[in-house]
Amino acid sequence: GIQVEQSPPDLILQEGANSTLRCNFSDSVNNLQWFHQNPWGQLINLFYIPSGTKQNGRLSATTVATERYSLLYISSSQTTDSGVYFCAVILGGGSYIPTFGRGTSLIVHP
Amino acid sequence: NAGVTQTPKFRILKIGQSMTLQCTQDMNHNYMYWYRQDPGMGLKLIYYSVGAGITDKGEVPNGYNVSRSTTEDFPLRLELAAPSQTSVYFCASSYSRVGYLNQPQHFGDGTRLSIL
Repeated sequence: GIQVEQSPPDLILQEGANSTLRCNFSDSVNNLQWFHQNPWGQLINLFYIPSGTKQNGRLSATTVATERYSLLYISSSQTTDSGVYFCAVILGGGSYIPTFGRGTSLIVHP
Repeated sequence: NAGVTQTPKFRILKIGQSMTLQCTQDMNHNYMYWYRQDPGMGLKLIYYSVGAGITDKGEVPNGYNVSRSTTEDFPLRLELAAPSQTSVYFCASSYSRVGYLNQPQHFGDGTRLSIL
C-alpha cells in the first residue's frame, strides 16, 4: 500500500517562530489533507490540498503532486498551535480510504 | 450546534465483552466514518457510510460491525472485545465524499476504550 512519511517527528519552538512540516507519499494520490489534533485530542481539518498552494491565516500548505510531497507552513507560531499535525492521502479510483502519516508533534513554548 | 457527538467518552471492557459506541450528528450529513487511533499513530478507517442503509468496510474492519438506519446515527459495535481493540475511536461526518468539493470532515471528541 501507499506509504506516508512525515518529518520531523517532533518539533519544539518558541512562540513567534516559523516552521515547516513535510509529508512525503509514495504513490500518486487523488487528494491530500492536513489535520491538527490539539493536546485534548480534538481533530480539525486544516486543508484539502491535492496540488498547489492554499493559505488560511498564519497557516499555508503547498503540495507538489508530481514530486509526491506536501509542506505545511506555520508562521509566527502561538502556544495554541501545539499538538500533532497529520497528513492523510487518498488514492484515486473512487477510494474512500485515507492513509495517515504518523504525525509531527509540535510544542510551542511561551 | 452540537456537531458530532460520541458516547461514551471513556470505557473499560473485559476481554470477550461487547459494547456499542454511539455516534450522532445534527448536520444532515450523508457521509459518516469510524476511525481508530492507536498510540503514536495516525487514524485508520474502520467503516464508512454514504447514507442511511449503506455501509462499507474501511482499512481495518475485522472485529467491528456498523449499521446506519438513520441519517443522524452511525453506531459501532464490538462483539467480542480483544486487547488489540484498545484504542481511541473517532466518528466523523461530512457533507460530501472525503476530499470532494473541499468539504471538511467534522469529528467527534473521541471515545477512549481500554480492554483488559
